Amino acid sequence: DAGITQSPRHKVTETGTPVTLRCHQTENHRYMYWYRQDPGHGLRLIHYSYGVKDTDKGEVSDGYSVSRSKTEDFLLTLESATSSQTSVYFCAISERDVSYEQYFGPGTRLTVT
Amino acid sequence: GQQVMQIPQYQHVQEGEDFTTYCNSSTTLSNIQWYKQRPGGHPVFLIQLVKSGEVKKQKRLTFQFGEAKKNSSLHITATQTTDVGTYFCAGRADSWGKLQFGSGTQVVVTP
Repeated sequence: DAGITQSPRHKVTETGTPVTLRCHQTENHRYMYWYRQDPGHGLRLIHYSYGVKDTDKGEVSDGYSVSRSKTEDFLLTLESATSSQTSVYFCAISERDVSYEQYFGPGTRLTVT
Repeated sequence: GQQVMQIPQYQHVQEGEDFTTYCNSSTTLSNIQWYKQRPGGHPVFLIQLVKSGEVKKQKRLTFQFGEAKKNSSLHITATQTTDVGTYFCAGRADSWGKLQFGSGTQVVVTP
């Protein structure tokens, strides 16, 4: 498996609280992605990064922000968590552009009560 | 809406049988990728197809990219319990810019 870790692995939080999920890679890959996975929807892209401080929106970016201050770290922040953001969040990396194979982290299960 | 459609959503297979899962797009794709996710796990890259009509094999798995590059299939022969999981296709079209994942085919294998 590629060197990707996510923290925390599980989190329960209350509606309205801020939440930050962290993705850390040791592969020095340029591209990093945040997806959410919900039953019946597969994997939906939230945000991605194509370099340090270079990020762009995915198809479900509302309510989420990201930051990448170092090559190895990509943070996903829910400014004010809502119940609709209860999901499993996966970080992924790829060596080259978005057409290339992606390697996924172990995931973070987030529950917003 | 979903730009990459996968069918079936759910496949129940007897061990030793063959089955096929399909991935369809209304737009011509520049490439198609397949991933497998075991229950409780994360998606793992299996293969990428780029050329029209391309066929690639990995042991008992056969992947095909359609001639028009709008569809793809994954065929598994002699299914084993280790094949349990959800199989996702992901395609990229020039107009999309980014990979779009299908909703997956969940495979259950009974001994």
